[in-house]
Amino acid sequence: DTGVSQNPRHKITKRGQNVTFRCDPISEHNRLYWYRQTLGQGPEFLTYFQNEAQLEKSRLLSDRFSAERPKGSFSTLEIQRTEQGDSAMYLCASRDSLYPEAFFGQGTRLTVV
Amino acid sequence: TQLLEQSPQFLSIQEGENLTVYCNSSSVFSSLQWYRQEPGEGPVLLVTVVTGGEVKKLKRLTFQFGDARKDSSLHITAAQPGDTGLYLCAGDPLKDTGNQFYFGTGTSLTVIP
Repeated sequence: DTGVSQNPRHKITKRGQNVTFRCDPISEHNRLYWYRQTLGQGPEFLTYFQNEAQLEKSRLLSDRFSAERPKGSFSTLEIQRTEQGDSAMYLCASRDSLYPEAFFGQGTRLTVV
Repeated sequence: TQLLEQSPQFLSIQEGENLTVYCNSSSVFSSLQWYRQEPGEGPVLLVTVVTGGEVKKLKRLTFQFGDARKDSSLHITAAQPGDTGLYLCAGDPLKDTGNQFYFGTGTSLTVIP
């Protein structure tokens, strides 16, 4: 297993366009998290899946954001009608519910112009 | 209000100096993890501390978990330029108010050669 994989690594989009990011977690991990991070700050929680069920969404997550985890494997995060304020690093993490550690992908850097 | 507060937020030191980063909370945590993140990359797990009072060493890095499991510290001896990065503490509070994996506010360390 090569760890958590995120694609694409970088995305530049025009304001108003939709974007979709993908996260492939470590295969045996049942928990998957999405975070957003701006420069020099700690990651900000967006949403959490246990297997295919989305169990929690941040109140900060507008309805332009949606995430899925079909079949409890990979996950996608879609942002509709992007705004400049959406520019950030989007991080995915996975963990096994039996252990405390979470493992992160390399992130997707989104720039909205 | 952040569940995990880190201090200092920024730290710039000369190579060879020692430093300590603090991670504090009013909540009890079942465990805490420390991560280091380099620009443009995802956080990389350094260590997990589980037992109150626990001390773990990773080469020049020493991690402590407070007796009450509400705080942790990271001490770096003889810092090197390769230690430069964003240091993050994270974990699950014992009385979980949700399903988040909480992150600290982050400490940005710069080690000057």
